Amino acid sequence: QVQLVQSGAEVKKPGASVKVSCKASGYNFTDSFLHWVRQAPGQGLEWMGWISPGTGKRKYSRKFQDRVTIIADTSASTADMELSSLRSEDTALYYCVTGGGDHWGQGTLVTVSS
Amino acid sequence: DIQMTQSPSSLSTSVGDRVTITCRASQYIYSYLNWYQQKPGKAPKLLIYAASTLQSGVPSRFTGSGSGTDFTLTISSLQPEDFATYFCQQHYITPWTFGQGTKVDIK
Repeated sequence: QVQLVQSGAEVKKPGASVKVSCKASGYNFTDSFLHWVRQAPGQGLEWMGWISPGTGKRKYSRKFQDRVTIIADTSASTADMELSSLRSEDTALYYCVTGGGDHWGQGTLVTVSS
Repeated sequence: DIQMTQSPSSLSTSVGDRVTITCRASQYIYSYLNWYQQKPGKAPKLLIYAASTLQSGVPSRFTGSGSGTDFTLTISSLQPEDFATYFCQQHYITPWTFGQGTKVDIK
């Protein structure tokens, strides 16, 4: 069955960067876009960007364009999302999601605190 | 960006009740509309895709309808496990955008 397993929780200081990993299994990793979505505590869902692992093409939300990088490693079926210049407002659960929205990782809590 | 306006933001209801949640898109999105259920501490779960197609394994008491700009999620007879937060989401164009959520709790 399709599974997306994400890396563990992170605590970072303001101004630092964080990398969240997502390992996919149970489907052809290169056939489906992978998206990143975040959810601040008690808040709604916010799309950050996508990558096509098969082609390497990617697209980012204008809001995060200057701070986010998404890469994929097809040999390992993993996708990483790196967010830089962290601030307290970036404290959130970060999810990787398959292209149809049908499979989500378990979420990675990133806490930004001095 | 396409704005998704969901209503109500919360509702208190009872087991066995019929529940209707609406979602309006700020521009035409055809049927590129998903509905999700989210429980505390869990990732969202896809219930309905393409506005009206039930995801595999989802009970038939959940139905979706609509196209264009106006959409509805209906739960025909609420069960105890259905108390959760529900989100709509458009994927017609990026950025994906989500409704603000409807929290369904026990009256």
